[in-house]
Amino acid sequence: NAGVTQTPKFQVLKTGQSMTLQCAQDMNHEYMSWYRQDPGMGLRLIHYSVGAGITDQGEVPNGYNVSRSTTEDFPLRLLSAAPSQTSVYFCASSYGGGPEAFFGQGTRLTVV
Amino acid sequence: SQQGEEDPQALSIQEGENATMNCSYKTSINNLQWYRQNSGRGLVHLILIRSNEREKHSGRLRVTLDTSKKSSSLLITASRAADTASYFCATDADDNDMRFGAGTRLTVKP
Repeated sequence: NAGVTQTPKFQVLKTGQSMTLQCAQDMNHEYMSWYRQDPGMGLRLIHYSVGAGITDQGEVPNGYNVSRSTTEDFPLRLLSAAPSQTSVYFCASSYGGGPEAFFGQGTRLTVV
Repeated sequence: SQQGEEDPQALSIQEGENATMNCSYKTSINNLQWYRQNSGRGLVHLILIRSNEREKHSGRLRVTLDTSKKSSSLLITASRAADTASYFCATDADDNDMRFGAGTRLTVKP
């Protein structure tokens, strides 16, 4: 039982590059979300999805896009990376929107 | 914006001692959860307390919730070196978005 799997674990981008952070869960959870974690700031919600075909913005959505074509996958796209997007990104899923969330191991992204 | 704020930001204790962390939040909630994060890893759910509950236990963990003060505490008894981690509270309100605090970094010295 893999749970929530994020890839890659580490990534370095140059300013202006684009990339997709992958997230997959095998628990048939309806609710999936993306957070970023910055020092001293805790986790902040970027985007979330309550089911396939449905996405919504969280607290800090600017510069990020998401889509949810299947229940299992919830990729996060950075369209034009900026140094301010240097952070650790976590994907989470839960059954029916909560309350217990299962987190992936995180993707450490550095934008230079 | 962050909903929960943990206090203290950092806590260092000796193995065997108890560790207490506090969380304050701003708006009404449905439930409050505590998560642990080991260095470089994802968050792991520890315990959930609903808004109509005042205290909950799970093994060496004891959580209290005071909705009138909008605060919660997490007590870890008889701490172990393996308890060294960051601890986060997360609140769940009607918008179904979990809001996390900045965390308390606990160090348990052997």
